[in-house]
Amino acid sequence: TQLLEQSPQFLSIQEGENLTVYCNSSSVFSSLQWYRQEPGEGPVLLVTVVTGGEVKKLKRLTFQFGDARKDSSLHITAAQPGDTGLYLCAGPNQAGTALIFGKGTTLSVSS
Amino acid sequence: NAGVTQTPKFQVLKTGQSMTLQCAQDMNHEYMSWYRQDPGMGLRLIHYSVGAGITDQGEVPNGYNVSRSTTEDFPLRLLSAAPSQTSVYFCASSYKAGLYEQYFGPGTRLTVT
Repeated sequence: TQLLEQSPQFLSIQEGENLTVYCNSSSVFSSLQWYRQEPGEGPVLLVTVVTGGEVKKLKRLTFQFGDARKDSSLHITAAQPGDTGLYLCAGPNQAGTALIFGKGTTLSVSS
Repeated sequence: NAGVTQTPKFQVLKTGQSMTLQCAQDMNHEYMSWYRQDPGMGLRLIHYSVGAGITDQGEVPNGYNVSRSTTEDFPLRLLSAAPSQTSVYFCASSYKAGLYEQYFGPGTRLTVT
């Protein structure tokens, strides 16, 4: 069974701090996606990583896919209150017919 | 484009009642899916469809039925509601199955008493 484990589950920080959240699995994934979900809304795709060792940057967000394609991380530099939300990682199942989601990291950034 | 729309936004049911959650997309996506989201459990796949006329079960299909008669619509039916089905339900669509961006609807918050 393919599982994605995210840590930490909750993170509460002050504006301006840096943070990293993790997405780990014992299984190899062909790719991983990161979504952000704000309260009362559906998740929205932030990035897709497909190559082991790949690093992608989206403004203050840096995403990394592990060399072995079993893990990924999201680093936020100088967090802002607008970064508050639930961050979910997801990867395709082996058949490629469905996305498996981690349980998410809830981030709260206070000013 | 409206994207993915879901109705209703909120619903309260009594145990044993049935209802249909509606989902529609206007992006001509082949792939559609239903998830439920519970606190601390993440998103769990209920059913999915890779095209009109084709559906399959996900991780938690019991108590739910789906059909896909058109590319645009993918309704989720609760046959006999139970308190364990209290959750937030999200419909999503993507161009195809696999490594494509999932577009999510705004969700339906369902309470079963």
